Amino acid sequence: DAGVIQSPRHEVTEMGQEVTLRCKPISGHNSLFWYRQTMMRGLELLIYFNNNVPIDDSGMPEDRFSAKMPNASFSTLKIQPSEPRDSAVYFCASSLLLNTEAFFGQGTRLTVV
Amino acid sequence: TQLLEQSPQFLSIQEGENLTVYCNSSSVFSSLQWYRQEPGEGPVLLVTVVTGGEVKKLKRLTFQFGDARKDSSLHITAAQPGDTGLYLCAGAFSGGYNKLIFGAGTRLAVHP
Repeated sequence: DAGVIQSPRHEVTEMGQEVTLRCKPISGHNSLFWYRQTMMRGLELLIYFNNNVPIDDSGMPEDRFSAKMPNASFSTLKIQPSEPRDSAVYFCASSLLLNTEAFFGQGTRLTVV
Repeated sequence: TQLLEQSPQFLSIQEGENLTVYCNSSSVFSSLQWYRQEPGEGPVLLVTVVTGGEVKKLKRLTFQFGDARKDSSLHITAAQPGDTGLYLCAGAFSGGYNKLIFGAGTRLAVHP
């Protein structure tokens, strides 16, 4: 297995634009997580899914953020409209169960100018 | 307030030195994981400890889970520049829709 695959690796966009981050979890994993990492705030859990169902989105900072998991092999995190303070590295992770080893993707570095 | 407190936040040492980083909580975990994150990459699991008092060794790294399963430590012997990175601990609660809880991490720099 290639591991968790995220795209794009880097995204530079202008304030106000829509940004969509994509994630392909490891096949057979039932849980998927979206994290945001900054130097100031560390690794923050935004939302997680279990069996494609969103379980907890309390970490999503604002209504501008939304996430979907239409099937077991794909998830998106969308920011609309984007703002400079959204600049961060966004990680997707998957695990066999909710609290077993988390396998992280390489992240998407988002810069909003 | 972090459920898992990691200390120190930053550590800068010379190659060959020993170090210990800590992960503390007031909560009891069913297991605790340690991850290392290198620049430009996602965190990667180093070890999982499950039993109170458990000690696990991974080459020069020694991990210990507290007897009460509320805290853990990571000791590195004779640190190498390749040990440089962010060390994250993550606690797991059993049952229900319980996710991993991550600490803020210890950022380690080992200089040649």
